[in-house]
Amino acid sequence: GAVVSQHPSWVICKSGTSVKIECRSLDFQATTMFWYRQFPKQSLMLMATSNEGSKATYEQGVEKDKFLINHASLTLSTLTVTSAHPEDSSFYICSAKTSGSSDTQYFGPGTRLTVL
Amino acid sequence: EDKVVQSPLSLVVHEGDTVTLNCSYEVTNFRSLLWYKQEKKAPTFLFMLTSSGIEKKSGRLSSILDKKELFSILNITATQTGDSAVYLCVLRGYGGSQGNLIFGKGTKLSVKP
Repeated sequence: GAVVSQHPSWVICKSGTSVKIECRSLDFQATTMFWYRQFPKQSLMLMATSNEGSKATYEQGVEKDKFLINHASLTLSTLTVTSAHPEDSSFYICSAKTSGSSDTQYFGPGTRLTVL
Repeated sequence: EDKVVQSPLSLVVHEGDTVTLNCSYEVTNFRSLLWYKQEKKAPTFLFMLTSSGIEKKSGRLSSILDKKELFSILNITATQTGDSAVYLCVLRGYGGSQGNLIFGKGTKLSVKP
């Protein structure tokens, strides 16, 4: 149980276009989902926290108008990279957390974005 | 099925104890195995292991990889309350410059004073 999927797993797009990445919890309801960006030295940077039905909370330095997050249901959150540029090329990972006191996050497999 | 299995799922110890966290996996071809410590927000990188039998150390933490038996362990000696966190074992596969990450479910460590 507790499977999180991401779609697509790899996307290549042209500069200036927008890309949507989906994060789904397949067998549980995720009240909270997190979006991370992975940098080359294996560090994960938290971009934003989204709670179902409310606006996402963005970390300092993350442009909310550029990285649009929608958590419309208890099983789906989307990250849209708007007007993508080559510097947005990265590995984006989502994780999902159920309600309750557990701190366990279930991670998706990641989406590799390459912007040409 | 889970390709990265961590055990135990949860562990409660007292300060000063030594703990060993286990990570077994089914993936035979991967780039590296990573250990992260996750507290409130983003996981903090601890170790990257690529070669079997070579211990990595950082203060009270150490880790080793056994590619023959397909497991890794993370040791924490003289635990402190600040070690309380979820520890994640992650396999980094191949597939481009970043690779694909396979996460274990984590071991939640609670260190009591």
